[in-house]
Amino acid sequence: NAGVMQNPRHLVRRRGQEARLRCSPMKGHSHVYWYRQLPEEGLKFMVYLQKENIIDESGMPKERFSAEFPKEGPSILRIQQVVRGDSAAYFCASSLRTGRDQPQHFGDGTRLSIL
Amino acid sequence: KNEVEQSPQNLTAQEGEFITINCSYSVGISALHWLQQHPGGGIVSLFMLSSGKKKHGRLIATINIQEKHSSLHITASHPRDSAVYICAASGGGADGLTFGKGTHLIIQP
Repeated sequence: NAGVMQNPRHLVRRRGQEARLRCSPMKGHSHVYWYRQLPEEGLKFMVYLQKENIIDESGMPKERFSAEFPKEGPSILRIQQVVRGDSAAYFCASSLRTGRDQPQHFGDGTRLSIL
Repeated sequence: KNEVEQSPQNLTAQEGEFITINCSYSVGISALHWLQQHPGGGIVSLFMLSSGKKKHGRLIATINIQEKHSSLHITASHPRDSAVYICAASGGGADGLTFGKGTHLIIQP
């Protein structure tokens, strides 16, 4: 009865490289949220996806960031040409149903460090 | 846009003390979430509530919809309760959660 799985737990990249963060939601969940926690700051919403659809990406930076949740496989948060300011913890959460009154189950996060 | 405010920002207490963390929000919401995060660790959902009160072990969460305020209480606090406690609101015009900045709780033996 696995929970939300994120990998890798830690990722180190040099400036200009690409970072790919993966999130497998809980079994049976088809709704995924990505959040970012910058050092010494609170969590911020980035994007909400359902299978094969981006529902709300209002929190995503306009450039270099993209997210997908294909029909098969995990959700991917992709950051191209990373910069030092991208260093943060990225958390994924999943829910069983749509609706703003649904509980969200969080993964352990991916800590991204940019050298 | 919803604003979520938490207080206190930092709290140090002695083992056994009764702990209260407060959260207020600015617009109507669908639900209020309380989360726990240990240093370098993942996020655990403690409660989701839209009215009244919920209890789980030594933890109690309450919400007052009219006053747009929620509290998290810990009874008989223990050093293992030391963590960051985060309040988050869902609804209020956004699909994702809107988070408070968190309360850093330290329980000393």
